[in-house]
Amino acid sequence: GAVVSQHPSWVICKSGTSVKIECRSLDFQATTMFWYRQFPKQSLMLMATSNEGSKATYEQGVEKDKFLINHASLTLSTLTVTSAHPEDSSFYICSASSRNTGELFFGEGSRLTVL
Amino acid sequence: KQEVTQIPAALSVPEGENLVLNCSFTDSAIYNLQWFRQDPGKGLTSLLLIQSSQREQTSGRLNASLDKSSGRSTLYIAASQPGDSATYLCAVSGGGYQKVTFGTGTKLQVIP
Repeated sequence: GAVVSQHPSWVICKSGTSVKIECRSLDFQATTMFWYRQFPKQSLMLMATSNEGSKATYEQGVEKDKFLINHASLTLSTLTVTSAHPEDSSFYICSASSRNTGELFFGEGSRLTVL
Repeated sequence: KQEVTQIPAALSVPEGENLVLNCSFTDSAIYNLQWFRQDPGKGLTSLLLIQSSQREQTSGRLNASLDKSSGRSTLYIAASQPGDSATYLCAVSGGGYQKVTFGTGTKLQVIP
């Protein structure tokens, strides 16, 4: 099946620094990618939807200046958590949508810990 | 606004048992429905995708059905194994930008 690679799988950073997470579709072109956040024992919360070559659409309550999303190509989207704070510590997961079927494929997730 | 509910929230069964997980959604105007499993600390693995025009999909010991009119889907797992232990999520896609709504999940434990 299709593969979505997410990197890094875990990262620890100091408060105030910025962290970039990459999401790549390895064997298909993803015109649409999604970024989710997951808190312990909860389901996924959609943060934003990004389409290649255009600005991301953020969900209500998600600060676009804090969570910068770039979808520069059909195979790569990045999420940058700017000026990270401990409350940003979470599990971030990306997904890519198959243009043909609409099936979603997920990355393995990135666990961010902000000290 | 689409709402997706999964019942039960948790399930514990002995190995070898057949089981059914339920997913209900409030808006029947969907593009597709997808079942995933998530292991602790991991991303989601796609199990089955059912397009809105389909009634069911099968893969190995898994069978998923879709009844759009009643807003329901079931995931049937035959002959459960300890390796099936995970959280199972259903997700409904519809609307602009293929907006996806996830269910609350069912945490399955298969006891050897």
